[in-house]
Amino acid sequence: DAKTTQPPSMDCAEGRAANLPCNHSTISGNEYVYWYRQIHSQGPQYIIHGLKNNETNEMASLIITEDRKSSTLILPHATLRDTAVYYCIVRGTNTGNQFYFGTGTSLTVIP
Amino acid sequence: GAVVSQHPSRVICKSGTSVKIECRSLDFQATTMFWYRQFPKQSLMLMATSNEGSKATYEQGVEKDKFLINHASLTLSTLTVTSAHPEDSSFYICSATLPGPLGSGELFFGEGSRLTVL
Repeated sequence: DAKTTQPPSMDCAEGRAANLPCNHSTISGNEYVYWYRQIHSQGPQYIIHGLKNNETNEMASLIITEDRKSSTLILPHATLRDTAVYYCIVRGTNTGNQFYFGTGTSLTVIP
Repeated sequence: GAVVSQHPSRVICKSGTSVKIECRSLDFQATTMFWYRQFPKQSLMLMATSNEGSKATYEQGVEKDKFLINHASLTLSTLTVTSAHPEDSSFYICSATLPGPLGSGELFFGEGSRLTVL
């Protein structure tokens, strides 16, 4: 079962930073936080993941609170193509560990 | 990143027929693949975990005799929807993890297969 809660929807102005929160208060010590997004009728796309340190890649930044009970995905300069459903997932490190998707946040980037 | 490919991307079939969907890892070997189903405006629901060379592990409420999963090689898993009915119409998505050092484990997804049962 999904262990995360996210707001159902958010809007963001084009060019602005989009900050997507995720609550994972029951996360355990060996579980990572993963973020994916899904554009309509496509398979989900990997964005970023982290354990406890903040992470940054070419797509986004991931800020994880010190107690690891919540995190925020930051898209620094949102574009119209970032309109998608964003999913936050917590998962253990074994390759056989399942990914359970919650309801996600539907982000709409407004021109 | 790693590439996972599904085929067919769309399939329409008559009620009562069986449909096979293939999932391939194109540039890596996947000992474990996952099958998801997604209904319109809903999230992805994990159906089963497919393990190479052994039986799949099904999530609670998923009928193993209805959704047959075969993972005969390290690069191919198949999902067969047997005796399909209109309520089986859905978007089916496969995925695989890239074997790697501890903590890498991101999941790579196929493009999805949209099944419509008439």
